[in-house]
Amino acid sequence: SQTIHQWPATLVQPVGSPLSLECTVEGTSNPNLYWYRQAAGRGLQLLFYSVGIGQISSEVPQNLSASRPQDRQFILSSKKLLLSDSGFYLCAWSTDKLLTTEAFFGQGTRLTVV
Amino acid sequence: AQSVAQPEDQVNVAEGNPLTVKCTYSVSGNPYLFWYVQYPNRGLQFLLKYITGDNLVKGSYGFEAEFNKSQTSFHLKKPSALVSDSALYFCAVRDGSWGKLQFGAGTQVVVTP
Repeated sequence: SQTIHQWPATLVQPVGSPLSLECTVEGTSNPNLYWYRQAAGRGLQLLFYSVGIGQISSEVPQNLSASRPQDRQFILSSKKLLLSDSGFYLCAWSTDKLLTTEAFFGQGTRLTVV
Repeated sequence: AQSVAQPEDQVNVAEGNPLTVKCTYSVSGNPYLFWYVQYPNRGLQFLLKYITGDNLVKGSYGFEAEFNKSQTSFHLKKPSALVSDSALYFCAVRDGSWGKLQFGAGTQVVVTP
């Protein structure tokens, strides 16, 4: 069966420090991968999506970047964190190209920038 | 672009009573609609989806949803709510050829004993 791993679960980082959040998927190949951010415990904003290795699309210009070095690995990064980067970050995957399949989410990373 | 709206910020219901969480959609073409639930500090869990076929869709944990094309709605329902159903519920629609999900703002469900 397919599983998605996301870590760390919580992270407290000072302003100006770098960031690296990792997400890996097991049990499937060539998935669509997504990074979402949830601010203030409510709305979900899509940050990045990827349909294949090295293929990244950004939804919202910001202080963050994403990379997909391997088929089932998706990394969210920042060179210098801002206070506004605080939030709950969720990685998700779905079957490639099938609009009818649901997306599966990781357990999330709670990032607090201080 | 496809979108969904959840008109209620919070729904309060007594345990044992029916629960309804509202969602309306705006899409061009066939709508692919989903419901997710989120417990505190956790990721989203898939509940059910409507792709085509029967307008009444059954999902996990006793939830079901009714697709209504004329009213462009996809309301989530449960005949008898449990305290453990208290959570944040999201309606979502597929948007684009690569499977992006557009989420509603979420509805907080509070079930009281």
